[in-house]
Amino acid sequence: ETGVTQSPTHLIKTRGQQVTLRCSSQSGHNTVSWYQQALGQGPQFIFQYYREEENGRGNFPPRFSGLQFPNYSSELNVNALELDDSALYLCASSFYWRVNYGYTFGSGTRLTVV
Amino acid sequence: AQSVAQPEDQVNVAEGNPLTVKCTYSVSGNPYLFWYVQYPNRGLQFLLKYITGDNLVKGSYGFEAEFNKSQTSFHLKKPSALVSDSALYFCAVRPSSTSGTYKYIFGTGTRLKVLA
Repeated sequence: ETGVTQSPTHLIKTRGQQVTLRCSSQSGHNTVSWYQQALGQGPQFIFQYYREEENGRGNFPPRFSGLQFPNYSSELNVNALELDDSALYLCASSFYWRVNYGYTFGSGTRLTVV
Repeated sequence: AQSVAQPEDQVNVAEGNPLTVKCTYSVSGNPYLFWYVQYPNRGLQFLLKYITGDNLVKGSYGFEAEFNKSQTSFHLKKPSALVSDSALYFCAVRPSSTSGTYKYIFGTGTRLKVLA
């Protein structure tokens, strides 16, 4: 098992720019969720993908969007970056039928917006 | 509103002593409960879960957690703390849902410091 891999590990962007974060799910995992962890806070659910479709979304604006590919890898896109978007972004994967048993998290991408 | 509370920002304990990290939750239905640990510059590592059955759940690295339905609590425990246990601990709950969205609600985290 290779685990969940996220890239890049760190990123600095300017306010107003767009960013794409990438995630490779653990082998065979067909469900992926993205979380935002602001400094000193717990992770907040952004959205979940299953079978290449978004099937759940947290309280995040539409400028946060995602994709899931046939190989189950995933992207998180954020448009019109704001300073408050600075955070650690975590990708988590699981088999759909085993989500109740816990996700496998990646190490995250730390995004800094200046 | 559904929520998870970790009332202590930090817990200090001497090495070899028992430790407890507290968690309470407020969700409808029968929740699924989890503990995760986060080391510096790392993602979350799964420690243990409660789905159903025995109220005392055993997990990784000697950790266990006690589910108390009447108090809506899920406290993390370890009989003898190690310096290497020092990390940030998150309690999470997944409300029972029919929508197919497996959203986790996390607490704000408790920093555990084990002193040698």
